Amino acid sequence: IVLTQSPGTLSLSPGERATLSCRASQSVSSNYLAWYQQKPGQAPRLLIYGASSRATGIPDRFSGSGSGTDFTLTISRLEPEDFAVYYCQQYTSSPKTFGQGTKVDIK
Amino acid sequence: QVQLVESGGGVVQPGRSLRLSCAASGFTFSTYAMHWVRQAPGKGLEWVALISYDGSNKDYADSVKGRFTISRDNSKKKLYLQMNSLRAEDTAVYYCAKDRWGSGYYYFDDWGQGTLVTVSS
Repeated sequence: IVLTQSPGTLSLSPGERATLSCRASQSVSSNYLAWYQQKPGQAPRLLIYGASSRATGIPDRFSGSGSGTDFTLTISRLEPEDFAVYYCQQYTSSPKTFGQGTKVDIK
Repeated sequence: QVQLVESGGGVVQPGRSLRLSCAASGFTFSTYAMHWVRQAPGKGLEWVALISYDGSNKDYADSVKGRFTISRDNSKKKLYLQMNSLRAEDTAVYYCAKDRWGSGYYYFDDWGQGTLVTVSS
């Protein structure tokens, strides 16, 4: 399954809303779709699993939605620590695949 | 808390071999599937291999099938990746990642900090 993320880069200011898209080449059954955040020089961190469930310790400004082939990660109000690269990943079939990433940077 | 510490990376010539290790702590290692995920410099994430909680099930990305072997030693709480016939395109940071469950068919809920493998003559 090929995952295509858009946009490639999102330039926003702190306090603004971020909307990231992940589109799959075929249906992701059971909504087996996760989102990860990666900051420079760090390992990825799980944010969302099952398309909409927040991982332990993730602030509620992060939310996931979608089903089938279209998924969205929304950050309601950007905090300075949210500027990073975000990846979606499907785990409904092998091989597990990632999107190419969306970079959220400071405008 | 969960801790995953990779080791074994370095510079290696094309065609040679390298073995990566991942030491786990802070959870019951023997009940969770584990994965290797890599990231080429400046690029995105690529899943490499998985091993189920008891080692009975393994799966590989097509890009490494037949060259890489994943294994685990539950008594030592360690995960391994034997990499043979290395190519320049294998150059990447290699992360070990814990699966949410034992089968290996879910998402990655904890990651190590990674170890860099550079394949160059």
